[in-house]
Amino acid sequence: AQTVTQSQPEMSVQEAETVTLSCTYDTSENNYYLFWYKQPPSRQMILVIRQEAYKQQNATENRFSVNFQKAAKSFSLKISDSQLGDTAMYFCAFMKGSGGGADGLTFGKGTHLIIQP
Amino acid sequence: DGGITQSPKYLFRKEGQNVTLSCEQNLNHDAMYWYRQDPGQGLRLIYYSQIVNDFQKGDIAEGYSVSREKKESFPLTVTSAQKNPTAFYLCASSIPLPSIPGQWNQPQHFGDGTRLSIL
Repeated sequence: AQTVTQSQPEMSVQEAETVTLSCTYDTSENNYYLFWYKQPPSRQMILVIRQEAYKQQNATENRFSVNFQKAAKSFSLKISDSQLGDTAMYFCAFMKGSGGGADGLTFGKGTHLIIQP
Repeated sequence: DGGITQSPKYLFRKEGQNVTLSCEQNLNHDAMYWYRQDPGQGLRLIYYSQIVNDFQKGDIAEGYSVSREKKESFPLTVTSAQKNPTAFYLCASSIPLPSIPGQWNQPQHFGDGTRLSIL
């Protein structure tokens, strides 16, 4: 079974600062996918960024980037130039690559990120 | 627009009562999922279905039941055996990933959720 650990229950930074959210995972799989989801107060789940484990290059999406360290089983999210709209719960999630990945996601407990004006 | 529709948005259950949460998708996705979210917890998988007329238990299936009679629909029943049903329930769907890395292009789509409370 897989486990995902987010060790920061809550973080608070000033607007325009850069913030890094931590995530570690444990798995015996070699083929897998990692995700960061954002959940604003509306409770909608929004995909922020994804990383395929076989890719060494870190994924980037505009102000969002990841630091994927496969050997260390670490997958942190960096948000640059943070904005008030980034205030949300952020969840790290794992998906097996085998079996088509159709057996669902394993989530961490989340980090509540607060961007202060 | 394609998407996932969950209803109702809010639901109240009396003691000893079964209630059913609806999840409908028009994305033509094969796989569908139900997750439960409690305060301070991430999402936990209740049940999932990869094809019509087939489904599997997730990590916390006790006290829940599902059916998958149509590709578009995956209702979740919270039975009276579920002693602590108060939670936020999210439905999701996806196209199963191919077994060859690099050919996947679809994330898991989520509905807007149903909040279930006990009266």
